[in-house]
Amino acid sequence: DAKTTQPNSMESNEEEPVHLPCNHSTISGTDYIHWYRQLPSQGPEYVIHGLTSNVNNRMASLAIAEDRKSSTLILHRATLRDAAVYYCILRPPRAFGNEKLTFGTGTRLTIIP
Amino acid sequence: ETGVTQSPTHLIKTRGQQVTLRCSSQSGHNTVSWYQQALGQGPQFIFQYYREEENGRGNFPPRFSGLQFPNYSSELNVNALELDDSALYLCASSFKGQENNEQFFGPGTRLTVL
Repeated sequence: DAKTTQPNSMESNEEEPVHLPCNHSTISGTDYIHWYRQLPSQGPEYVIHGLTSNVNNRMASLAIAEDRKSSTLILHRATLRDAAVYYCILRPPRAFGNEKLTFGTGTRLTIIP
Repeated sequence: ETGVTQSPTHLIKTRGQQVTLRCSSQSGHNTVSWYQQALGQGPQFIFQYYREEENGRGNFPPRFSGLQFPNYSSELNVNALELDDSALYLCASSFKGQENNEQFFGPGTRLTVL
């Protein structure tokens, strides 16, 4: 499995944008970039995913570098409820077999009121 | 729509014992995966079941086994418990074939082995 590298922790002020970086220099041409987050005392939850183009949904935006060796999860206006561990995960296309998620240690995001 | 549920919430066992953890998948999902999350670490994939058969396994010994039932509920069994088995055990369900492979996680079962 291709490896991802994320900062161990980040802090951000409430109501400000947050940019969470992820490096994945060994990504293959068919790997999708997924982000999950784990709120305190809960299981992980899906945030967003993309392949090559930038993506937006109601939770966040995903900016993917042109060479796909890095990506950034963007929370446009952080709230206290966004305090969580954020995981950047590479996944092969669904046709390639089982659908496991390979988690690293993620980035612990702290929101300052 | 009912989410993924797990039971029990917490469990304490002693070394050498056996444990069974249970998971009820989200309605409409046909695949269940189990993960182990040690304190301060990301979840680690144990195995996945699809149509009642194991469909992939992580780096876990055979004393970790599972079952998936026709109603897509699932069990994780761990025999001969060791102290290092103390962790949060997460179940995730998904629908095989869905474009984004989104997995829906339960809240987990916290297992403590003494």
